Amino acid sequence: NFMLTQPHSVSESPGKTVTISCTGSSGSIASNYVQWYQQRPGSAPTTVIYEDNQRPSGVPDRFSGSIDSSSNSASLTISGLKTEDEADYYCQSYDSSNHGVFGGGTKLTVL
Amino acid sequence: QVQLVQSGAEVKKPGASVKVSCKASGYTFTSYYMHWVRQAPGQGLEWMGIINPSGGSTSYAQKFQGRVTMTRDTSTSTVYMELSSLRSEDTAVYYCAIAPSSAAFDIWGQGTMVTVSS
Repeated sequence: NFMLTQPHSVSESPGKTVTISCTGSSGSIASNYVQWYQQRPGSAPTTVIYEDNQRPSGVPDRFSGSIDSSSNSASLTISGLKTEDEADYYCQSYDSSNHGVFGGGTKLTVL
Repeated sequence: QVQLVQSGAEVKKPGASVKVSCKASGYTFTSYYMHWVRQAPGQGLEWMGIINPSGGSTSYAQKFQGRVTMTRDTSTSTVYMELSSLRSEDTAVYYCAIAPSSAAFDIWGQGTMVTVSS
């Protein structure tokens, strides 16, 4: 079964840059698009990156996504951290059956 | 605007079934596959399955095979997710979602809390 693994938590100071990784368990993570969602408590997730590195309108350009085939991983980078960026972040892709797969989520603390 | 509105919270006993609805509006109902995702308290997102509102075909995550049934009613633009043989571990918020313009789940329902407790 295809799985995505994320760090449980990361923390960084306001104004700094943080990167959250998402590692695929098998096959090539580049075979299917990777999305990143932000989720605040009590709310549904919202898309911050889609199709590996595309940013929806309204998402600040402080958010960027990338794929590293050599490590079979995707990354979400947030620069110029703001306290409002504190949330849970999930990567998501699809397996060979086109079933959705989510990473376990990463809690970002901005302190 | 595109909107998914889900049914209200449910409390069920272990062994029972629950049926959650998701009513779509603001777009052609048959245009986008509907996904179901759940989130247990304090836990991550878990993909459950998908239904094609056009033909009604479904595909479920292996974990839920045999326990979940997704159906649709095109006359009311509503999708249903029924989960049977409920156990305490099924306590979660259940979301419907669509990916209307890319690979991302851009539109989500508000979520339905299902509590399984004796």
